[in-house]
Amino acid sequence: NAGVTQTPKFQVLKTGQSMTLQCAQDMNHNSMYWYRQDPGMGLRLIYYSASEGTTDKGEVPNGYNVSRLNKREFSLRLESAAPSQTSVYFCASSRDTSNQPQHFGDGTRLSIL
Amino acid sequence: GESVGLHLPTLSVQEGDNSIINCAYSNSASDYFIWYKQESGKGPQFIIDIRSNMDKRQGQRVTVLLNKTVKHLSLQIAATQPGDSAVYFCAENSPGERSTLTFGKGTMLLVSP
Repeated sequence: NAGVTQTPKFQVLKTGQSMTLQCAQDMNHNSMYWYRQDPGMGLRLIYYSASEGTTDKGEVPNGYNVSRLNKREFSLRLESAAPSQTSVYFCASSRDTSNQPQHFGDGTRLSIL
Repeated sequence: GESVGLHLPTLSVQEGDNSIINCAYSNSASDYFIWYKQESGKGPQFIIDIRSNMDKRQGQRVTVLLNKTVKHLSLQIAATQPGDSAVYFCAENSPGERSTLTFGKGTMLLVSP
């Protein structure tokens, strides 16, 4: 009963480096999401995948790319990290996008120097 | 843990008291609402949800009330315990083709023994 698993849990990058955050869910959910959480800002949606094979931009997609590798896995890539991308990143999944609770992983704490 | 709680409204209660956490939502067309609990260093955890055709729903020690007239949602926690200390936030689902959740910024609940 792992639910949503994110790796790594912590990462420090230098400006300009690239990195991929991994997320996997074992609940057979169709929809997956990537959020960032900053102090005082709440959760902001970066990208989501309503179903396998589709991805869509959320509220703050600039500087990020995603891949829905299969039904279980949804990765987030920072091509050229910037200090403004220092944040806690959460992956979530739900049965579908409409009127369903999203279930979250425990986050990746990313610092960019 | 990370400073998710910086600048958040805070509710301080004594162990055994009942707690009421409020949320004003933004979209009168929203048809589904969720309350989440987030402990320090963890991802948001689903507590309870409610659909817009209801005005009250009860779970174990928790009750959610929905007032669509004033776009207000509340979470009542009975007999609050120290383990209830966390950040609580609401989320709303606005219907549409790109139906996704919009999250509030949260309220920190501090429970004193």
